[in-house]
Amino acid sequence: QSVLTQPPSASGTPGQRVTISCSGSSSNIGSNYVFWYQHVPGTAPKRLIYRNNQRPSGVPDRFSGSKSGTSASLAISGLRSEDEADYYCATWDDSLSGPVFGGGTKLTVL
Amino acid sequence: EVQLVESGGGLVQPGGSLRLSCAASGFTFSSYWMHWVRQTPGKGLVWVSRLNSDGSREGYADSVKGRFTISRDNAKNTLYLQMNSLRAEDTAVYYCARGVYGDYPEFDYWGQGTLVTVSS
Repeated sequence: QSVLTQPPSASGTPGQRVTISCSGSSSNIGSNYVFWYQHVPGTAPKRLIYRNNQRPSGVPDRFSGSKSGTSASLAISGLRSEDEADYYCATWDDSLSGPVFGGGTKLTVL
Repeated sequence: EVQLVESGGGLVQPGGSLRLSCAASGFTFSSYWMHWVRQTPGKGLVWVSRLNSDGSREGYADSVKGRFTISRDNAKNTLYLQMNSLRAEDTAVYYCARGVYGDYPEFDYWGQGTLVTVSS
């Protein structure tokens, strides 16, 4: 089991807004930055969000991140078919002294 | 253009060894920490190992500590992962990734991955 908890799946129709949660603890999310990655199987993962809510250049503003206490969220608005992918949160864990990923959420665009 | 290209994956028997390589181009390789991350079949991403820019500080996940060794050749712009005493649970796609800030799991570029299958 992953240290960070994500729902295994999420879905939405084109144009909808979808939110993916990532739950942790005081030793990880509660005291460190959160990062989000998009992964289409068979391709290289892509950095979507860094330092809780920052978007790298080239990432559409439809993607946004937030963090509150020991939880974080990724929101995708104006859902598009090309958003269908696996999404992972990641952070540093002070107790484990290492990076940790969430178990991933498979997003389906209906 | 930044590129990371992994190689060296394949089928290996339990207890065997394999060395993965990650050829980097398009950036000053010697200035960046580098990481290995794996994805096991049907499961998510798991951080495996990291190495600082000059190769003096290694880090490993508990699951591979003592069996895997990360190294780099900055003259050849290449990152390595020597994997010994391989187990079935090491079966995964292995990605190399460029670290943005030291140990932190912020990776701005990833390779396409190389598949390692541990099976008899």
